[in-house]
Amino acid sequence: GAGVSQSPRYKVAKRGQDVALRCDPISGHVSLFWYQQALGQGPEFLTYFQNEAQLDKSGLPSDRFFAERPEGSVSTLKIQRTQQEDSAVYLCASSPTGGGVDTEAFFGQGTRLTVV
Amino acid sequence: SQQGEEDPQALSIQEGENATMNCSYKTSINNLQWYRQNSGRGLVHLILIRSNEREKHSGRLRVTLDTSKKSSSLLITASRAADTASYFCATDGFSRTYKYIFGTGTRLKVLA
Repeated sequence: GAGVSQSPRYKVAKRGQDVALRCDPISGHVSLFWYQQALGQGPEFLTYFQNEAQLDKSGLPSDRFFAERPEGSVSTLKIQRTQQEDSAVYLCASSPTGGGVDTEAFFGQGTRLTVV
Repeated sequence: SQQGEEDPQALSIQEGENATMNCSYKTSINNLQWYRQNSGRGLVHLILIRSNEREKHSGRLRVTLDTSKKSSSLLITASRAADTASYFCATDGFSRTYKYIFGTGTRLKVLA
């Protein structure tokens, strides 16, 4: 596709439910990032993939958060047993190189998760 | 935790005026980037400046970098209503090469 695509755009989950957020990066992009953005704040790093390898997951806030990119393209961020503090916009970004952050990142529109 | 802070937190100007926003960061860097985020949308890359550069231009945008002060500024000249957005700086955290570390953002409002 032309850009990074995320789905769903909006998700409302009851507390305790599991959710899965999908990211389709730009075709051929090596690097893929997940970020969490609380209202009025800047994005906070969650995890990074280089192709299918998850090289950094230091930003995942708890073991309820899990991300995968099994074939080096589409990625899924899964949150188990959602809590109210998980309410945020989840942003996915990709970049063409495997060097991490030495080039611009292309962001998707984000998924707004609301836990009620 | 955020790497840096943008200043001011919010800025309101008239169309045609220039807008300046500043970013301070904490650690050494290899590069610094500026992004724009329109309400409810994703981030759009504006400009990347490397640690050995002091100034960079792109259209109506001018970015400066002072590594001795660990600060950067973004100047938007002849602002337009369409420039209304939040602006974030992002650094690479030097050794932490897998993270873009974002600041807290400046909310710019350009009045027509």
